[in-house]
Amino acid sequence: LAKTTQPISMDSYEGQEVNITCSHNNIATNDYITWYQQFPSQGPRFIIQGYKTKVTNEVASLFIPADRKSSTLSLPRVSLSDTAVYYCLVVRYSGAGSYQLTFGKGTKLSVIP
Amino acid sequence: NAGVTQTPKFQVLKTGQSMTLQCAQDMNHNSMYWYRQDPGMGLRLIYYSASEGTTDKGEVPNGYNVSRLNKREFSLRLESAAPSQTSVYFCASRTELLESPLHFGNGTRLTVT
Repeated sequence: LAKTTQPISMDSYEGQEVNITCSHNNIATNDYITWYQQFPSQGPRFIIQGYKTKVTNEVASLFIPADRKSSTLSLPRVSLSDTAVYYCLVVRYSGAGSYQLTFGKGTKLSVIP
Repeated sequence: NAGVTQTPKFQVLKTGQSMTLQCAQDMNHNSMYWYRQDPGMGLRLIYYSASEGTTDKGEVPNGYNVSRLNKREFSLRLESAAPSQTSVYFCASRTELLESPLHFGNGTRLTVT
């Protein structure tokens, strides 16, 4: 399995940039890195994904170093509505059209006014 | 499009009772997944189906069975519920492409007394 490790929780004030780092030391060459956001009483929602270097969309940026053993989700200028649990997920092809999609325990981000 | 629909939203069972959790998606996705979420444990994969007609075990399959009824529907059955199966259950779907994100339903909250 592609295992991931994240901090259990983080606090941030409104307006600050937040960086959440995920460790995936046993990542394989063709694995893909994705991040999800989950609000209470809802299913996780896809935020961003990448293979290497930097990816940016309207919500976040994802930084992946050359060795790909970690990735960092960056949320610019967080607001109270960004309070949620953030999951890092490594997608690994396991053959015959199947993929391993193993979530970690997530990082609970609390944004403080 | 409704996306991924799960029924019921809530359920209370007595130990030893059986029930089936239903999941349907209208996005023509090949792959479907069942996860359970417990406090502090993140999301753990129970079973998945890479395509219609195939199912495979995930991390925590004991006590569960699944049926991929057709391309749209993937059900999860508890034959003899136990208190350890008290959890929130999420169904998800995706295409067969490596970079395809998971689309989640809003979950079924199950309590076994």
